[in-house]
Amino acid sequence: SAVISQKPSRDICQRGTSLTIQCQVDSQVTMMFWYRQQPGQSLTLIATANQGSEATYESGFVIDKFPISRPNLTFSTLTVSNMSPEDSSIYLCSVGSSYEQYFGPGTRLTVT
Amino acid sequence: EDQVTQSPEALRLQEGESSSLNCSYTVSGLRGLFWYRQDPGKGPEFLFTLYSAGEEKEKERLKATLTKKESFLHITAPKPEDSATYLCAVQAPHTGGFKTIFGAGTRLFVKA
Repeated sequence: SAVISQKPSRDICQRGTSLTIQCQVDSQVTMMFWYRQQPGQSLTLIATANQGSEATYESGFVIDKFPISRPNLTFSTLTVSNMSPEDSSIYLCSVGSSYEQYFGPGTRLTVT
Repeated sequence: EDQVTQSPEALRLQEGESSSLNCSYTVSGLRGLFWYRQDPGKGPEFLFTLYSAGEEKEKERLKATLTKKESFLHITAPKPEDSATYLCAVQAPHTGGFKTIFGAGTRLFVKA
């Protein structure tokens, strides 16, 4: 199994600002994923981040709004840019394979 | 379109009252079906991966089964600590590798 940590665990931000969320894994992994979980909802995939290549974004998510970095095999960042109240959500980092997928504890973001 | 539907949305059980949660799926090229447990304020916790129809896996009071169209999570003699949201997800081929599609979850409440 993989142990995943995220920073910050929660934040309250003002409209129009940006927040960068960090994800650290205790082992080297090829594929990392970023998910959003809105209040009372299930998980929605934002993008897949493979080391050494551009992130692949899902429909409804764009790089200008959610830029992702993947500088090495144990670390990734997700930035939520020009935030609005609709971006209030839990953001989750995940790593996995065909056999199992593990999640970080999440970053709870509130935009006021 | 790949889709995962879980039922019921919520389930209230008395301690010791066994029941089942359902996960119906439509996916092109199933690579695996996952079950997760999610406690409030935390990331999903991996439980099982199932790959082919007829496969079963067990962990303590939980047993997961898989058919060609659905999966069941059977909970035998549940305890209050089993109260959580149970998420089902399917993994399918996707650009760059694979993607995981989540259902909305079943919120389980077990009363002592």
